[in-house]
Amino acid sequence: GENVEQHPSTLSVQEGDSAVIKCTYSDSASNYFPWYKQELGKRPQLIIDIRSNVGEKKDQRIAVTLNKTAKHFSLHITETQPEDSAVYFCAAIISGYALNFGKGTSLLVTP
Amino acid sequence: DGGITQSPKYLFRKEGQNVTLSCEQNLNHDAMYWYRQDPGQGLRLIYYSQIVNDFQKGDIAEGYSVSREKKESFPLTVTSAQKNPTAFYLCASSPDERNEQFFGPGTRLTVL
Repeated sequence: GENVEQHPSTLSVQEGDSAVIKCTYSDSASNYFPWYKQELGKRPQLIIDIRSNVGEKKDQRIAVTLNKTAKHFSLHITETQPEDSAVYFCAAIISGYALNFGKGTSLLVTP
Repeated sequence: DGGITQSPKYLFRKEGQNVTLSCEQNLNHDAMYWYRQDPGQGLRLIYYSQIVNDFQKGDIAEGYSVSREKKESFPLTVTSAQKNPTAFYLCASSPDERNEQFFGPGTRLTVL
C-alpha cells in the first residue's frame, strides 16, 4: 500500500504565483520529512527538510509545514519562477529504516 | 556533483543476461541505497545497506541482488529473473538513515 501519498501529480502555475504540494504519510513514528527537486534527466536534490519537532521551516521562497497529528506535510513555493519547473518528491521515513517517496509532482511555471 | 558516482550512464542488455550497476561514494557515508525510477512511479526502494557487510530488501527486491563488501561501494546486479528491468536506476548515500540522502547521476538501463 501507499506509505506516502503526494498530490497533485501535476501542477501548472503562472510565474509569480504560489505553488503548494501536499503529502500524507502512514507511519506515526516518522520523524524526518525531506523534499527533493528533480530536473529532467538529472538526479534528485534536496531542497528543504523538516523534522518532527518543528512545525514549519522556511528557506527564502520555499517553506515546508508539518502537521504530525494529521500526518501530513506540505511544500510551499512563493513567487514562482520558470526555473522552479521540475518534478518534486516528498519523502518520509517508514519503519525507521529508509525513506519512502511520494510519486512526485510535476510543476510547470509558465512565464 | 562530486561525492557519489554511478557507472555506466547508459546500459543496454539482452534478455536473459545479468548486468551489474556500479555505485561508489567518497563521502564516508555508512548508509547506501538503490532506487528504481519509472515514469509516474516516483522512486521505489530496491535494497539498502546501513553498514558494511549488511543489507536489507526494499519494496521491490525481487530479481535484484547487492553486495556491500566495502563502505565506498554498493553494486547492484539486475538478474534475468527481473521481468521488466528497463528503468532509470539511482544510487544514494547518507550518513545514516535519518539524514539527507545524496543521489548519484543515475544509470539508464534498457533491455533490448
